[in-house]
Amino acid sequence: EAQVTQNPRYLITVTGKKLTVTCSQNMNHEYMSWYRQDPGLGLRQIYYSMNVEVTDKGDVPEGYKVSRKEKRNFPLILESPSPNQTSLYFCASIPRGPRTEAFFGQGTRLTVV
Amino acid sequence: SQQGEEDPQALSIQEGENATMNCSYKTSINNLQWYRQNSGRGLVHLILIRSNEREKHSGRLRVTLDTSKKSSSLLITASRAADTASYFCAKGNQGGKLIFGQGTELSVKP
Repeated sequence: EAQVTQNPRYLITVTGKKLTVTCSQNMNHEYMSWYRQDPGLGLRQIYYSMNVEVTDKGDVPEGYKVSRKEKRNFPLILESPSPNQTSLYFCASIPRGPRTEAFFGQGTRLTVV
Repeated sequence: SQQGEEDPQALSIQEGENATMNCSYKTSINNLQWYRQNSGRGLVHLILIRSNEREKHSGRLRVTLDTSKKSSSLLITASRAADTASYFCAKGNQGGKLIFGQGTELSVKP
């Protein structure tokens, strides 16, 4: 089954404790993105990747890191989480070509206390 | 930010009525996409319209695109309670970059 898998689904952590949210897709898509969703602000892009070892900042990259060492994985790293990073996070993958629809993971609800 | 505007922010209608949501954008696009999100879940792709297309249909969905006005509309006909969700437009550009609007929260009352 074609899917984007994020883990964990829920996470409560403390300020400053490094964490990683994993994202994996099994569709061999070139493009992958991370978004955060906050009430009244819609989805804002954090980082995106056009291919292995190619990443670029989105609209709200501060406080986040990503890596794309393999095509299927695109982890989101918070080196020193802060309470303003409490949010709902989504990973998405998109194929190259005319059908550029995004496939989304189920989301990770992160709370930083 | 390249985010455009969606309106209305919230829409409440009765079952059987039509629902219209609008999306405006600021920069040029390759395509315009619409997604649906059930509460707190991942977004699901509904329909894509390319910049050289003016109208597209998929079941009860109709999407229009006016590139001169930089705007798009999503019409859901004969709405059902199960259509209750948030709807987002997304501007598609080169390199798979998608920029989302703030969304419209649709409530369909039985």
